[in-house]
Formats: sequence, structure tokens, C-alpha cells
Amino acid sequence: EVQLMQSGAEVKKPGDSLKISCKGSGYSFTNYWIGWVRQMPGKGLEWMGIINPGDSETRYSPSFQGQVTFSVDKSISTAYLHWSSLKASDTAMFYCARLTYQDTSDIWGQGTMVTVSS
Amino acid sequence: DIQMTQSPSSLSASVGDRVTITCRASQSISIYLNWYQQKPGKAPKLLISAATTLQSGVPSRFSGTGSGTDFSLTIASLQPEDFATYYCQQSYTTPCSFGQGTKLEIK
Repeated sequence: EVQLMQSGAEVKKPGDSLKISCKGSGYSFTNYWIGWVRQMPGKGLEWMGIINPGDSETRYSPSFQGQVTFSVDKSISTAYLHWSSLKASDTAMFYCARLTYQDTSDIWGQGTMVTVSS
Repeated sequence: DIQMTQSPSSLSASVGDRVTITCRASQSISIYLNWYQQKPGKAPKLLISAATTLQSGVPSRFSGTGSGTDFSLTIASLQPEDFATYYCQQSYTTPCSFGQGTKLEIK
């Protein structure tokens, strides 16, 4: 079964760093880009950007450029979303998704809830 | 960046109704328009890609039309499990923006 499994919920303080993960299984991880999507509480979906697990090429939305970092460890079929200094406004659910034809997100992770509060 | 505008933002309907949600792009995106369904507390689910291609396992009561800037998602006969929030997304160019969502509620 093709699936993406994300790491568990996190509760952090402003200024903390954080890396959440997204592990792919059931398919060739390096053959499909991975995308990240933010959903703030009660709000809609926001496209953050994408990463190519094969060569780590990234494309960030201008809204998220410089705010987060994408990375991968293809040896363990895992993509990461990293913050160096969290803000309260980073509180949200974050989804990873596998990208297929023309950047369509066909398989989604279950989501990781990040709560940033002092 | 391409802006995606969905209408309506919310919709009340009854089981058995036919409903249509529209999505407009701020510039032409050819056929590169996807529709997702999201239920509370769940990840989005891809329903339709490339404007009209129904994903495997998605009921045939769902259909998509459009090209260029104007697109629509139609549910032919609403079922109880269809009450959810629907999002369009353009995948013509990055950033692959989403519409603001349409919440479909039971009347």
C-alpha cells in the first residue's frame, strides 16, 4: 500500500526549533516529488512548496521562503519540514503529499499538528 | 502568483440534490485544475485531477469540467458522506495555489 506516515503532534515554545517528518512507503520514494501544505486552525489549505527526493531540489512558495526548510533523507525514504525559530503564528496542521502528474497531490500523510505557545 | 477563487464559500443542500461548485483562476491554467475533498480532522483526498479525470475509487456522481480560467465540480446526487469541504487547486505553475474552500453542509 502506498502511504505517507507523518510524525506525531508537537507542542513547542516560541523560538524553539523543530523538524517534522514524512516517511514514504509502498513506492519508489525518489521518483515522486513531495509537497508540504499548511492548514491553520479553522482555515483553508496553503501550498508551502515541494522537494524532489532524488536530488533535493526545492521550490518554495514566496509566502514560506526563508521561514521553513525542506530536506530529505532518501536512504530512509523520509522528507522533513524544519523551522529554526518557531513563532506562535506557526501553529497549524501540516500535511505532506506525494506529487504525481503535473504536481497533483495524489497521496497525503495524516498530518502533523504543531502548536507553538509560551 | 495565480489566485484561485471558489464559489460559493458555503452551501446547504439535501441528500439527493445536485450541486455545483465553481472555481476561477486569475489567469489561464489550461486543464491543470484539481479538486480535493476534506472531512473534519482528516487529510484532503484527491477527487479529480486535470479538470476532468476522476480518481480511482471516487464515485461517478462526482464530475469536473472546465479549462482555461473557469472550472466546476458537480455532485450529481448528494450522499450523506459527501458533506465536507471542497478545495480546488491549480497545478499549472508553482506556487500551486488552492481556492479558499467550499463547505458543503446538510440542509
